Amino acid sequence: DSGVTQTPKHLITATGQRVTLRCSPRSGDLSVYWYQQSLDQGLQFLIQYYNGEERAKGNILERFSAQQFPDLHSELNLSSLELGDSALYFCASSVANRPYEQYFGPGTRLTVT
Amino acid sequence: GENVEQHPSTLSVQEGDSAVIKCTYSDSASNYFPWYKQELGKRPQLIIDIRSNVGEKKDQRIAVTLNKTAKHFSLHITETQPEDSAVYFCAASPGGSYIPTFGRGTSLIVHP
Repeated sequence: DSGVTQTPKHLITATGQRVTLRCSPRSGDLSVYWYQQSLDQGLQFLIQYYNGEERAKGNILERFSAQQFPDLHSELNLSSLELGDSALYFCASSVANRPYEQYFGPGTRLTVT
Repeated sequence: GENVEQHPSTLSVQEGDSAVIKCTYSDSASNYFPWYKQELGKRPQLIIDIRSNVGEKKDQRIAVTLNKTAKHFSLHITETQPEDSAVYFCAASPGGSYIPTFGRGTSLIVHP
């Protein structure tokens, strides 16, 4: 157990819908990273937040957005869902002075039907 | 942007054999190279990493080597055990951000 929690574990929804994935980092970790893992694209970095502020952006679609709240938990919002958005979504966290040590959560498996 | 190629995509070995997974990267600004292990249905876990100022690093049965000139790095697992069976991902990232670009993964199967 990495100490990073994600909810829900599984999510099944229809095309066109909107979902919110939630991540709680390890206690004390200020950075949260979101990743998408799919058979087509592999494991891809989406976005990073540090202490409430967006720090880096990767291959994140405009239909996707994220935020980090004052209690440091983060949410990833996916809207206008398409079949191709079906994937595992991981969040990871790291402590400020060791950003290279990223601890992944268990992931949320999203299925869009 | 960075592009990481990883080979082979599948590697099947007998218990006790060695396994080698190779990766190449394109961006000379990358200077941090982590390796992750992902067991079936589980999260990726960092198992070892190497920085560009080091050529080799070992941790028990696993080792990583880096050739910065050739832009390639490798993971070596000796005396493989069935519990080493997993997907292994290499990654490359610039030291400032530590945002990784991942390879496509290698499925390692260790037969008892």
